[in-house]
Amino acid sequence: DSGVTQTPKHLITATGQRVTLRCSPRSGDLSVYWYQQSLDQGLQFLIQYYNGEERAKGNILERFSAQQFPDLHSELNLSSLELGDSALYFCASSVEGGYQETQYFGPGTRLLVL
Amino acid sequence: AQTVTQSQPEMSVQEAETVTLSCTYDTSESDYYLFWYKQPPSRQMILVIRQEAYKQQNATENRFSVNFQKAAKSFSLKISDSQLGDAAMYFCAYLETQGGSEKLVFGKGMKLTVNP
Repeated sequence: DSGVTQTPKHLITATGQRVTLRCSPRSGDLSVYWYQQSLDQGLQFLIQYYNGEERAKGNILERFSAQQFPDLHSELNLSSLELGDSALYFCASSVEGGYQETQYFGPGTRLLVL
Repeated sequence: AQTVTQSQPEMSVQEAETVTLSCTYDTSESDYYLFWYKQPPSRQMILVIRQEAYKQQNATENRFSVNFQKAAKSFSLKISDSQLGDAAMYFCAYLETQGGSEKLVFGKGMKLTVNP
């Protein structure tokens, strides 16, 4: 158990819908990262937050957004869902972010868009 | 941008034997970090081992060790005394750092089968 929690574990929804994925980092970690794992794209970085502020953006679609709250949990919002958004979404956390630290991953949220 | 290549999509090994998983990467940086993560059927991403480029000594964690060849940009993982529980996808990753931001760049992964 990495100490990073993600909810829900599984999510099934329809095209055009909007969903919210939630992540709680390890105790004491200030930085949160979101990754997407799909069959065709592999594991890709989406976005990084540090203590509530966006630090880095990767291949994140405009339909996707994220935020980190004062209690340091983070949410990834996916809207206007398409079939191709079906994937495993991981959250990871590290103490600071930007200091070459190890990122510890949560168990992931498996999203299926029908 | 940095790239990570795992050229072998699948490998198999007999229980108790040794297997080596290969990984190459491309970077112009001199100081960086490399990781191996394991993803068993549960899909959880589990850290296996971490290597700091400025350290000449290869990292080891129990049965797992790396062969880090900085000049060749090669970072292979050796698993000794393979166990059934080692069966998983293994991902090599490069930690890309820029101005206070960080992200992991992953290879495509390699599926390891352990035969009893």
